Amino acid sequence: NAGVTQTPKFQVLKTGQSMTLQCAQDMNHEYMSWYRQDPGMGLRLIHYSVGAGITDQGEVPNGYNVSRSTTEDFPLRLLSAAPSQTSVYFCASSYGGLAGNEQYFGPGTRLTVT
Amino acid sequence: GIQVEQSPPDLILQEGANSTLRCNFSDSVNNLQWFHQNPWGQLINLFYIPSGTKQNGRLSATTVATERYSLLYISSSQTTDSGVYFCAVEDYSWGKLQFGAGTQVVVTP
Repeated sequence: NAGVTQTPKFQVLKTGQSMTLQCAQDMNHEYMSWYRQDPGMGLRLIHYSVGAGITDQGEVPNGYNVSRSTTEDFPLRLLSAAPSQTSVYFCASSYGGLAGNEQYFGPGTRLTVT
Repeated sequence: GIQVEQSPPDLILQEGANSTLRCNFSDSVNNLQWFHQNPWGQLINLFYIPSGTKQNGRLSATTVATERYSLLYISSSQTTDSGVYFCAVEDYSWGKLQFGAGTQVVVTP
């Protein structure tokens, strides 16, 4: 199993550009989520999904969109990038539909918005 | 929402030393997990421990849910233990994971 994969590993955007961060898992996990990590703030939940076709907002959803058309994939879209979105983004998954089950993280995407 | 506090924020250890990291949370929780983020940024789940004690090699963890805290013990530390340790809790009302700010651990040879 590849586990949780994320692409790209690094990305530089200009203010106002849009892009999609990709996340895929091959463990048949129902629960998937996106976090951002900023210095000194731990990880904050952006959006999550408890199964295909179901998504919901986390703690910091503004400026981001998600969709979940398949169990395997959970892309995160930045609609109009802003410097405040410079961060490291992690995708995670867990079995069942619960956040509290053991979480598996992808390697992260380091995004810089200039 | 639930507050998660980790202490200490930073820890410097000499190789071979033991240490204890603490995670306090402000309300009842469904679950608690400990993670290690290595210096390359990868997050690894160490323990899934809503209550009780678990051990994995030189690491062990204890959660006392009734008193709202969890402890992570590192024994005979090695340089590979360096990184940031996070605890995360799932609270009953929100149903999502809430992370603490982490403890930065540096183990020196």
